Amino acid sequence: NAGVTQTPKFRVLKTGQSMTLLCAQDMNHEYMYWYRQDPGMGLRLIHYSVGEGTTAKGEVPDGYNVSRLKKQNFLLGLESAAPSQTSVYFCASSYSGQPHMNTEAFFGQGTRLTVV
Amino acid sequence: DAKTTQPNSMESNEEEPVHLPCNHSTISGTDYIHWYRQLPSQGPEYVIHGLTSNVNNRMASLAIAEDRKSSTLILHRATLRDAAVYYCILRDHPNTDKLIFGTGTRLQVFP
Repeated sequence: NAGVTQTPKFRVLKTGQSMTLLCAQDMNHEYMYWYRQDPGMGLRLIHYSVGEGTTAKGEVPDGYNVSRLKKQNFLLGLESAAPSQTSVYFCASSYSGQPHMNTEAFFGQGTRLTVV
Repeated sequence: DAKTTQPNSMESNEEEPVHLPCNHSTISGTDYIHWYRQLPSQGPEYVIHGLTSNVNNRMASLAIAEDRKSSTLILHRATLRDAAVYYCILRDHPNTDKLIFGTGTRLQVFP
């Protein structure tokens, strides 16, 4: 099992450029999440999805869009990148089962994005 | 969403027990207490979770106060590999599907 795979691992963008980050999971999880982590800080939730075809806003959604067309994939888009979006982006997925079950979230290794 | 409060940093010596505290005074009855940790340059990984009773697994133990307003993650014998940022998170099953991280506690382990 690959778990949660993020593509790409590194990217440098110029201000105003657009790009899409791909998150793929092979665990048949319903829930998927996108976070950003700035240096020395905790993770902040950007958007999340509770199932195929659904998305919802997290704590810091502005400047980002997401899509969940297939259950295994969760895409994060930056339409017009800004230097403030320089960060490490993490994707995660989890099972949505009953709370007494193990609903741990599995994280990818991160995408380091620099906007210049 | 209920908030958690953790110390910014803690230190331990190798092979000593470590008790990482978390306050969650506004916890609701349906909030589960989850702990994750993030090793340097890696994504977070799950450690343990619980509702009311103390929990043990191969990585750690979770002690939950009787009033549930606080909890403690216990690493029984710290190793150098346990140096990480530890996050205490409240997850409200099944009323919300968000997984909100705070700032966590940075644990340093000295040889």
